[in-house]
Amino acid sequence: NAGVTQTPKFRVLKTGQSMTLLCAQDMNHEYMYWYRQDPGMGLRLIHYSVGEGTTAKGEVPDGYNVSRLKKQNFLLGLESAAPSQTSVYFCASSHRVEEKLFFGSGTQLSVL
Amino acid sequence: GENVEQHPSTLSVQEGDSAVIKCTYSDSASNYFPWYKQELGKRPQLIIDIRSNVGEKKDQRIAVTLNKTAKHFSLHITETQPEDSAVYFCAARFNRDTDKLIFGTGTRLQVFP
Repeated sequence: NAGVTQTPKFRVLKTGQSMTLLCAQDMNHEYMYWYRQDPGMGLRLIHYSVGEGTTAKGEVPDGYNVSRLKKQNFLLGLESAAPSQTSVYFCASSHRVEEKLFFGSGTQLSVL
Repeated sequence: GENVEQHPSTLSVQEGDSAVIKCTYSDSASNYFPWYKQELGKRPQLIIDIRSNVGEKKDQRIAVTLNKTAKHFSLHITETQPEDSAVYFCAARFNRDTDKLIFGTGTRLQVFP
């Protein structure tokens, strides 16, 4: 039982490049989330999903896209990376919104 | 809009003293308020949560209080220990349209021996 697994752990991109972050959970959770963490700004919700095939916008969705084709996976895409997207990205999952969030170990992304 | 304000941003206490962190939220319909602890370089982990039908909840040295009328909730840590040093985040569930869990900006707690 691995919990929530994020890949990759570190990535450096050049401005304009694209990439996809993968989040996988093995707890059969319905809810999955992508947050970004920046100094002094806490955890800000990018996009989330309440079930397979569904996605919804969070607080800071611009510049990101997501997909939930399988219940266990939640992908975060950056089509054209910008330096403002330099951040630590956390994926999380839960059975319901009013239950404990299980976080992945985070992805440190730098956009030069 | 959906907003959670958290204060203070940093807090330093002596070992054995109490620490209090406060959060306010904007949506009166919010009904779930968790607290997460994040140690340096680690992922956030849930330490305690409270639902809107309860005014206070305790778990050993930590407690959370909720004032729905004033739309604020607080984390209380008693008899602080150096291992309590971490960043603490409050959060609130916003559910006007669909469910979102929005976090505050975090409080860095330092406990000095």
